[in-house]
Order: sequence, then C-alpha cells, then structure tokens
Amino acid sequence: GENVEQHPSTLSVQEGDSAVIKCTYSDSASNYFPWYKQELGKGPQLIIDIRSNVGEKKDQRIAVTLNKTAKHFSLHITETQPEDSAVYFCAASILVGGADGLTFGKGTHLIIQP
Amino acid sequence: DAGVIQSPRHEVTEMGQEVTLRCKLISGHNSLFWYRQTMMRGLELLIYFNNNVPIDDSGMPEDRFSAKMPNASFSTLKIQPSEPRDSAVYFCASSGRVKFQETQYFGPGTRLLVL
Repeated sequence: GENVEQHPSTLSVQEGDSAVIKCTYSDSASNYFPWYKQELGKGPQLIIDIRSNVGEKKDQRIAVTLNKTAKHFSLHITETQPEDSAVYFCAASILVGGADGLTFGKGTHLIIQP
Repeated sequence: DAGVIQSPRHEVTEMGQEVTLRCKLISGHNSLFWYRQTMMRGLELLIYFNNNVPIDDSGMPEDRFSAKMPNASFSTLKIQPSEPRDSAVYFCASSGRVKFQETQYFGPGTRLLVL
C-alpha cells in the first residue's frame, strides 16, 4: 500500500517568514495530494490540494508543488501569521478527492514565533 | 451547511463495554470515511463507504470493530468489546463534489478513552 513520509515533525519560524513542509510518497499510482490543517481539538481542514496533472498550485499565501518523477510534494506558506500555528498533514490517494481513502503523513507541528 | 456531525464528542468507558460512535454526512455527499488518530500511528483509514456500500475495510483493526451505513446520511462505528488500546480520536469524513472535484470534509471527532 501507499506510504507517505512527512518532514519536519516540528517547524518553528518567525512571524512573517516562510515555512516549507515536505512529503514523499511511495505509490506511483497516486494522483491526488491534499494538505490539511488541524487545530487543537478540531478535525483536519483542507487548505489546498493538487492533482497529478499539475506541477504547482497557489492560493494567496499558500502554495503546493508536486514532482511526480521524484514522488515528492511540498507545502509553502509565505508571510506566516500567528493563526498559521497548527499541525499540518499531507496525504495521498489514487482517486481524485481521496475517493479511495487518504493515506496521511505523520504531521508537522508549525509554530509561528511572534 | 452544518458540516459533518459526530456524536458523542467525548466518551469515557470501561474495558469490555460496547461503544457506538455516530456520524451524519453532509447533505448530498455519497462517500463516508472513518479514520482513527493516535500519537503513535497518526491518522489511519479504518473503512469507507460509497453509496452506503462498504468498499474497503482493510484498515479495521479487529473483528471487535464494525461499521454500518443504515441510510445515505448516517453511519455508526461500533467497538465491542472495547479495550484500552482503542483509546484515540475517531473522525468521520464525507466527500462530495466541490468545483468538479471530490473533497473530503472531516467532522470534529469523537475522543474515546477506554479505562
């Protein structure tokens, strides 16, 4: 089955700086790569996703890049703000939208230092 | 839209007791997923349904776990008998069409503690 590795497990950045979280996956059949943000006591919330036919996608301060050859994808957050502090999860699935179920990375605890 | 609704939000029970977790899908969604989150294992897919039919239950840890979808908008996850190692946060998620793409929306979770 699919295996998703995520690094780093903890990331501390100064407010206003950029943050980058990286993930690798093992199954070359995977086609859908979402990123979720989880705040304390809440369920994961989708923040951005990318399909395998696209190399990069951006939504305001958040961007995701995908390298299918190397089987890795990354989340980039620019101009970080205190409300960006949370745990971020990458995931992968074969079917678009995760219709076959998502395989998650172990998560990155992002800390924004004021 | 109310989003995915889960109940109870917190459950404390004793080993050997039956536990039932409940989930209401977002209206119009047709896929339902149950996940479990622990510190050691992270977020794991337990089982998922499409149009009320179980598609893949390979993530269900043991026969003590069972899940049903009695109708298109509601699901239950039952643990009988419960054990301390079942302590975790259980999430359900539903998916539907957003801008021509299926997207999974998660509920707030049920925090289960088995003593």
